[in-house]
Amino acid sequence: EDKVVQSPLSLVVHEGDTVTLNCSYEVTNFRSLLWYKQEKKAPTFLFMLTSSGIEKKSGRLSSILDKKELFSILNITATQTGDSAVYLCAVVYQLIWGAGTKLIIKP
Amino acid sequence: KAGVTQTPRYLIKTRGQQVTLSCSPISGHRSVSWYQQTPGQGLQFLFEYFSETQRNKGNFPGRFSGRQFSNSRSEMNVSTLELGDSALYLCASSPYSGGTEAFFGQGTRLTVV
Repeated sequence: EDKVVQSPLSLVVHEGDTVTLNCSYEVTNFRSLLWYKQEKKAPTFLFMLTSSGIEKKSGRLSSILDKKELFSILNITATQTGDSAVYLCAVVYQLIWGAGTKLIIKP
Repeated sequence: KAGVTQTPRYLIKTRGQQVTLSCSPISGHRSVSWYQQTPGQGLQFLFEYFSETQRNKGNFPGRFSGRQFSNSRSEMNVSTLELGDSALYLCASSPYSGGTEAFFGQGTRLTVV
Protein backbone atom coordinates (compact mmCIF):
# COMPACT_ATOMS: atom_id res chain seq x y z
CA GLU A 1 0.00 0.00 0.00
CA ASP A 2 1.32 3.42 -0.95
CA LYS A 3 2.00 5.66 1.99
CA VAL A 4 3.64 8.92 2.95
CA VAL A 5 4.69 9.49 6.53
CA GLN A 6 5.67 12.85 7.96
CA SER A 7 7.46 13.45 11.21
CA PRO A 8 7.19 14.96 13.66
CA LEU A 9 3.44 15.47 13.67
CA SER A 10 3.86 18.70 15.59
CA LEU A 11 6.75 20.85 16.65
CA VAL A 12 7.07 23.93 18.84
CA VAL A 13 10.24 26.01 18.58
CA HIS A 14 11.39 29.52 19.38
CA GLU A 15 11.85 32.25 16.85
CA GLY A 16 15.29 32.06 15.34
CA ASP A 17 15.62 28.30 15.70
CA THR A 18 16.28 25.99 12.75
CA VAL A 19 13.84 23.16 12.10
CA THR A 20 13.98 20.04 9.97
CA LEU A 21 10.80 18.35 8.86
CA ASN A 22 10.83 14.81 7.50
CA CYS A 23 8.82 13.04 4.85
CA SER A 24 9.32 9.37 4.06
CA TYR A 25 7.43 7.47 1.42
CA GLU A 26 6.70 4.08 -0.02
CA VAL A 27 4.93 4.41 -3.32
CA THR A 28 4.87 2.76 -6.68
CA ASN A 29 5.45 4.85 -9.77
CA PHE A 30 7.25 7.67 -7.99
CA ARG A 31 7.48 10.76 -10.13
CA SER A 32 8.19 13.63 -7.77
CA LEU A 33 7.70 14.87 -4.23
CA LEU A 34 6.00 18.13 -3.39
CA TRP A 35 6.11 20.29 -0.28
CA TYR A 36 3.28 22.63 0.64
CA LYS A 37 2.64 25.13 3.43
CA GLN A 38 -0.90 25.39 4.74
CA GLU A 39 -1.73 28.31 6.99
CA LYS A 40 -5.47 28.70 6.88
CA LYS A 41 -7.08 27.03 3.94
CA ALA A 42 -5.37 26.59 0.61
CA PRO A 43 -1.99 24.85 0.72
CA THR A 44 0.61 26.93 -1.08
CA PHE A 45 3.30 25.29 -3.13
CA LEU A 46 6.88 25.36 -1.84
CA PHE A 47 9.03 22.87 -3.74
CA MET A 48 8.92 20.08 -6.24
CA LEU A 49 11.73 17.53 -6.00
CA THR A 50 12.44 15.04 -8.71
CA SER A 51 16.11 14.15 -8.49
CA SER A 52 18.13 12.88 -5.57
CA GLY A 53 20.71 15.06 -3.92
CA ILE A 54 19.78 18.34 -5.57
CA GLU A 55 18.85 20.94 -3.00
CA LYS A 56 16.02 23.29 -3.75
CA LYS A 57 16.23 26.62 -1.95
CA SER A 58 13.94 29.57 -1.46
CA GLY A 59 15.04 32.15 1.06
CA ARG A 60 15.24 30.49 4.46
CA LEU A 61 13.61 27.30 3.22
CA SER A 62 15.42 24.45 1.55
CA SER A 63 14.60 20.87 0.70
CA ILE A 64 16.33 17.81 -0.59
CA LEU A 65 15.27 14.37 -1.77
CA ASP A 66 16.92 10.99 -1.24
CA LYS A 67 15.41 8.50 -3.68
CA LYS A 68 17.54 5.66 -2.41
CA GLU A 69 16.40 5.97 1.18
CA LEU A 70 12.96 7.21 0.12
CA PHE A 71 12.70 10.40 2.10
CA SER A 72 12.85 14.15 1.86
CA ILE A 73 13.58 16.86 4.39
CA LEU A 74 12.43 20.44 4.58
CA ASN A 75 14.70 22.84 6.46
CA ILE A 76 13.70 26.23 7.76
CA THR A 77 16.46 28.39 9.18
CA ALA A 78 16.08 31.47 11.40
CA THR A 79 12.40 30.70 11.89
CA GLN A 80 9.87 33.51 12.21
CA THR A 81 6.36 33.54 13.64
CA GLY A 82 5.06 33.72 10.07
CA ASP A 83 6.47 30.25 9.47
CA SER A 84 3.87 28.79 11.82
CA ALA A 85 1.76 26.51 9.63
CA VAL A 86 1.10 22.92 8.71
CA TYR A 87 3.70 21.64 6.27
CA LEU A 88 2.51 18.93 3.94
CA CYS A 89 4.42 16.68 1.64
CA ALA A 90 2.86 14.77 -1.21
CA VAL A 91 4.17 12.20 -3.60
CA VAL A 92 3.14 12.11 -7.24
CA TYR A 93 1.85 9.97 -9.14
CA GLN A 94 -1.55 10.34 -7.61
CA LEU A 95 -0.60 12.94 -5.03
CA ILE A 96 -0.49 10.74 -1.96
CA TRP A 97 -0.32 13.05 1.03
CA GLY A 98 1.37 12.82 4.38
CA ALA A 99 -0.60 13.85 7.46
CA GLY A 100 1.42 17.04 7.81
CA THR A 101 3.68 18.55 10.43
CA LYS A 102 2.16 21.33 12.50
CA LEU A 103 4.90 23.83 13.20
CA ILE A 104 4.43 26.50 15.88
CA ILE A 105 6.97 29.25 16.24
CA LYS A 106 6.96 31.01 19.59
CA PRO A 107 8.12 34.62 19.63
CA LYS B 1 -3.48 35.14 -13.96
CA ALA B 2 -6.47 34.27 -11.79
CA GLY B 3 -5.99 31.47 -9.30
CA VAL B 4 -8.20 28.52 -8.54
CA THR B 5 -11.70 29.59 -7.56
CA GLN B 6 -13.98 27.51 -5.42
CA THR B 7 -17.59 28.30 -4.67
CA PRO B 8 -19.26 28.56 -2.33
CA ARG B 9 -16.76 29.28 0.45
CA TYR B 10 -19.08 28.10 3.21
CA LEU B 11 -22.06 25.81 3.20
CA ILE B 12 -24.36 24.39 5.85
CA LYS B 13 -26.55 21.45 4.95
CA THR B 14 -28.68 18.97 6.85
CA ARG B 15 -28.27 15.23 6.85
CA GLY B 16 -29.76 13.52 3.85
CA GLN B 17 -29.46 16.52 1.57
CA GLN B 18 -27.16 16.72 -1.38
CA VAL B 19 -24.61 19.38 -2.24
CA THR B 20 -22.72 20.54 -5.30
CA LEU B 21 -19.39 22.31 -5.07
CA SER B 22 -17.72 24.12 -7.92
CA CYS B 23 -14.09 24.63 -8.89
CA SER B 24 -12.71 26.80 -11.67
CA PRO B 25 -9.07 25.95 -12.38
CA ILE B 26 -6.32 28.26 -13.50
CA SER B 27 -6.73 29.22 -17.12
CA GLY B 28 -5.05 26.64 -19.34
CA HIS B 29 -5.00 23.93 -16.67
CA ARG B 30 -6.84 20.81 -17.70
CA SER B 31 -6.52 18.72 -14.57
CA VAL B 32 -8.70 19.25 -11.51
CA SER B 33 -8.34 17.15 -8.38
CA TRP B 34 -10.61 17.14 -5.37
CA TYR B 35 -9.61 16.54 -1.76
CA GLN B 36 -11.39 16.23 1.53
CA GLN B 37 -9.58 17.58 4.55
CA THR B 38 -10.65 16.80 8.10
CA PRO B 39 -8.69 17.28 11.33
CA GLY B 40 -8.54 13.56 11.96
CA GLN B 41 -7.83 12.29 8.45
CA GLY B 42 -5.77 15.02 6.88
CA LEU B 43 -5.93 15.52 3.13
CA GLN B 44 -7.62 12.67 1.33
CA PHE B 45 -7.81 12.32 -2.41
CA LEU B 46 -11.30 12.08 -3.87
CA PHE B 47 -10.80 12.06 -7.63
CA GLU B 48 -9.05 13.70 -10.52
CA TYR B 49 -10.52 14.87 -13.80
CA PHE B 50 -8.56 15.62 -16.91
CA SER B 51 -10.13 16.70 -20.17
CA GLU B 52 -13.60 15.81 -18.90
CA THR B 53 -12.57 12.27 -17.97
CA GLN B 54 -12.09 10.88 -14.48
CA ARG B 55 -8.49 9.72 -14.36
CA ASN B 56 -8.08 8.61 -10.77
CA LYS B 57 -10.37 7.91 -7.88
CA GLY B 58 -9.76 7.65 -4.16
CA ASN B 59 -11.46 5.40 -1.64
CA PHE B 60 -14.71 7.22 -1.11
CA PRO B 61 -18.25 5.86 -1.37
CA GLY B 62 -20.34 6.33 -4.47
CA ARG B 63 -22.18 9.21 -2.80
CA PHE B 64 -19.21 11.31 -3.86
CA SER B 65 -19.16 12.06 -7.56
CA GLY B 66 -17.81 14.64 -9.88
CA ARG B 67 -17.63 15.85 -13.40
CA GLN B 68 -15.62 18.21 -15.53
CA PHE B 69 -16.88 20.47 -18.27
CA SER B 70 -15.28 21.36 -21.56
CA ASN B 71 -13.94 24.60 -20.10
CA SER B 72 -12.17 22.52 -17.39
CA ARG B 73 -14.44 23.75 -14.63
CA SER B 74 -15.33 20.93 -12.30
CA GLU B 75 -18.14 20.14 -9.93
CA MET B 76 -18.26 17.74 -7.06
CA ASN B 77 -21.51 16.32 -5.77
CA VAL B 78 -22.20 14.62 -2.48
CA SER B 79 -25.57 12.95 -2.10
CA THR B 80 -27.33 11.80 1.06
CA LEU B 81 -25.08 13.86 3.28
CA GLU B 82 -23.84 12.42 6.55
CA LEU B 83 -22.47 14.24 9.58
CA GLY B 84 -19.06 12.80 8.81
CA ASP B 85 -18.99 14.60 5.48
CA SER B 86 -18.37 17.88 7.32
CA ALA B 87 -14.96 18.93 6.11
CA LEU B 88 -12.97 21.38 4.06
CA TYR B 89 -13.14 20.41 0.40
CA LEU B 90 -10.20 21.57 -1.64
CA CYS B 91 -9.68 21.45 -5.33
CA ALA B 92 -6.36 21.76 -7.08
CA SER B 93 -5.56 22.45 -10.70
CA SER B 94 -2.57 21.31 -12.72
CA PRO B 95 -1.59 21.69 -16.33
CA TYR B 96 -1.29 17.93 -16.72
CA SER B 97 -2.77 14.79 -15.27
CA GLY B 98 -0.97 12.84 -12.57
CA GLY B 99 -0.06 15.64 -10.22
CA THR B 100 3.14 17.60 -10.77
CA GLU B 101 2.75 21.06 -9.32
CA ALA B 102 -0.80 21.58 -8.15
CA PHE B 103 -2.36 24.90 -7.20
CA PHE B 104 -5.10 24.91 -4.64
CA GLY B 105 -8.25 26.92 -4.23
CA GLN B 106 -9.33 28.34 -0.90
CA GLY B 107 -11.71 25.48 -0.32
CA THR B 108 -15.34 25.08 0.57
CA ARG B 109 -16.11 24.55 4.23
CA LEU B 110 -19.07 22.16 4.37
CA THR B 111 -20.90 21.67 7.64
CA VAL B 112 -23.54 18.98 7.86
CA VAL B 113 -25.96 19.31 10.77
